Amino acid sequence: QVQLQESGPGLVKPSGTLSLTCAVSGASISSSNWWGWVRQFPGKGLEWIGEIYHNGNTNYNPSLKSRVTISVDKPKNQFSLRVTSVTAADTAVYYCARETDVFERWVDTWGQGTLVTVSS
Amino acid sequence: YELTQPPSVSVSPGQTASITCSGDKLGNKFTCWYQQKPGQSPVLLIYEDDNRPSGIPERFSGSNSGNTATLTISETQDVDEAEYYCQAWDRTLGAVFGGGTKLTVL
Repeated sequence: QVQLQESGPGLVKPSGTLSLTCAVSGASISSSNWWGWVRQFPGKGLEWIGEIYHNGNTNYNPSLKSRVTISVDKPKNQFSLRVTSVTAADTAVYYCARETDVFERWVDTWGQGTLVTVSS
Repeated sequence: YELTQPPSVSVSPGQTASITCSGDKLGNKFTCWYQQKPGQSPVLLIYEDDNRPSGIPERFSGSNSGNTATLTISETQDVDEAEYYCQAWDRTLGAVFGGGTKLTVL
């Protein structure tokens, strides 16, 4: 059974950098899947942030592209998210996710989510 | 690209609930559906319009045509009370989610 577990600071100061890691168990990060990040705002809406393949290929939400970096660590079987220049609008629950390896992708496995609050 | 869902839908136990998701020429894309209960992560219910992952009850079904995709829940149960999200893939934007529909079982 595939499990994803997010970790990282729950509080980030405005203008700082949000950094999260997703540990993957029960599956190899080198399998035929994309690995992504989705966030959910306090008002409930879901927003796709971006994704990475094990070969390092990435795709990002254009609205966040200038501030987001997703990377993969194959030896540790994990992937990470960095969001720079954060503001209160980045306060959300951040989920890591396993996506299918097809053109029109969907999420078949979600992490439990981690709340990140941007506040001084 | 935007997907529009009704904010709320109500249904009586044992009846059929329908939740819609609208987008421009959505029928030309694959749509999937997630269920999210309070304090929990979303769970995949339907993928590629009308396919159920293993473990999802048969009373959950999906369809997609024209500008509207529909999630249908037959013989609705109290445990089905949750938030439901549709999602499609856009070649520029990536995954696009609908705003979510809260299903209330009265």
